[in-house]
Amino acid sequence: DIQMTQSPSSLSASVGDRVTITCRASQSISSYLNWYQQKPGKAPNLLIYAASSLQSGVPSRFSGSGSGTDFTLTISSLQPEDFATYYCQQSYSTPPYTFGQGTKLEIK
Amino acid sequence: EVQLVESGGGLVKPGGSLRLSCAASGFTFSNTWMSWVRQAPGKGLEWVGRIKSRTDGGTIDHAAPVNGRFTISRDDSKSTLYLQMNSLKTEDTALYYCTTLKSSGKGYYFDDWGRGTLVTVSS
Repeated sequence: DIQMTQSPSSLSASVGDRVTITCRASQSISSYLNWYQQKPGKAPNLLIYAASSLQSGVPSRFSGSGSGTDFTLTISSLQPEDFATYYCQQSYSTPPYTFGQGTKLEIK
Repeated sequence: EVQLVESGGGLVKPGGSLRLSCAASGFTFSNTWMSWVRQAPGKGLEWVGRIKSRTDGGTIDHAAPVNGRFTISRDDSKSTLYLQMNSLKTEDTALYYCTTLKSSGKGYYFDDWGRGTLVTVSS
């Protein structure tokens, strides 16, 4: 099975900061990578699919990049509502559909 | 508006069984791949199982930790997804989400999510 590793596991940042979260796959997954945001007590919400395509309704400050084994999620200017946990998920070799362990983004 | 409403969770003893349901509305359920994803308390997301639409063969797959114990199924006439859970273990304690599974052309993503139903396995 393909393993997904996110870094960092947690991150403190301020409103207005530019933030980057990294996801690494244990083998090449082309661009078969999705990103989700989860706020406390809520279900996850899809942000980015196919590595760089922005899901409808998601603010343009979110962007994704990468291919192969290394991927990034960037938030260009953090807003108060962006403090949440972020997960990557691969869909190259499925099943299983594997997630990263999550990155918790907290207010500094 | 898409709605996915899970039910059937609760407290069960190790070795027990439980059946979860997910009532879907607001989209053509019969044409949609469906999945269960779980989240243990304070932990990350874990895929549990997927069922394709009947037109795509209705193929069912389960994650290794639940294979042979859990069975996903669907009733298109009722727009309902099920998860039959047998031989439950304490490590199955989690919030279970029902999701749609969509194709992006480059793989699949979990699109719509329910609010989840909590399963607690404890003696």
